[in-house]
Amino acid sequence: DGGITQSPKYLFRKEGQNVTLSCEQNLNHDAMYWYRQDPGQGLRLIYYSQIVNDFQKGDIAEGYSVSREKKESFPLTVTSAQKNPTAFYLCASSPRGNTEAFFGQGTRLTVV
Amino acid sequence: ILNVEQSPQSLHVQEGDSTNFTCSFPSSNFYALHWYRWETAKSPEALFVMTLNGDEKKKGRISATLNTKEGYSYLYIKGSQPEDSATYLCACRYNTDKLIFGTGTRLQVFP
Repeated sequence: DGGITQSPKYLFRKEGQNVTLSCEQNLNHDAMYWYRQDPGQGLRLIYYSQIVNDFQKGDIAEGYSVSREKKESFPLTVTSAQKNPTAFYLCASSPRGNTEAFFGQGTRLTVV
Repeated sequence: ILNVEQSPQSLHVQEGDSTNFTCSFPSSNFYALHWYRWETAKSPEALFVMTLNGDEKKKGRISATLNTKEGYSYLYIKGSQPEDSATYLCACRYNTDKLIFGTGTRLQVFP
């Protein structure tokens, strides 16, 4: 089946550890996105990528890093520099142009 | 930072009521306006993508309009049903493929 997969669904980490969230799509989409949602807030853009080997910072990129070595994959690393990493993280992909985005199921990260 | 704003933040209506939400956005470098429906425990799903000033789209009891000159879009639900309960998100795509979301409107429809 075509789709976008995030793993794991739930993730627990100790404070000070880096953690990488996986996002894979087999939709042949060029653009991929990472968003963060906190309680009572909307989706805030962390990073996005329009094409392989290229990505841009979103509105809240500090403390995060990404890579786009393959079209299908856009992993997000939450580093120890991110001051409030506990949140729900949502990955999306879309073709370029005026088309909708498709979303993964999300990863809920808890840092203790 | 590009601010996309939605109102109201939440809405409670009775089954059968019609309702509408607003999305306002900066119109500079605007490329497209998206509406998504996000049900609890599911992923957001697209309702509409609109690009042209004056665009109107309809899907069943749900419709949307777009005004790019003044930077707003309305989403209408006619005859709300309990299954319409969800968070409705609008998002603006700007000319660098940047997709910015609003904070959402959480709709609850009571039987």
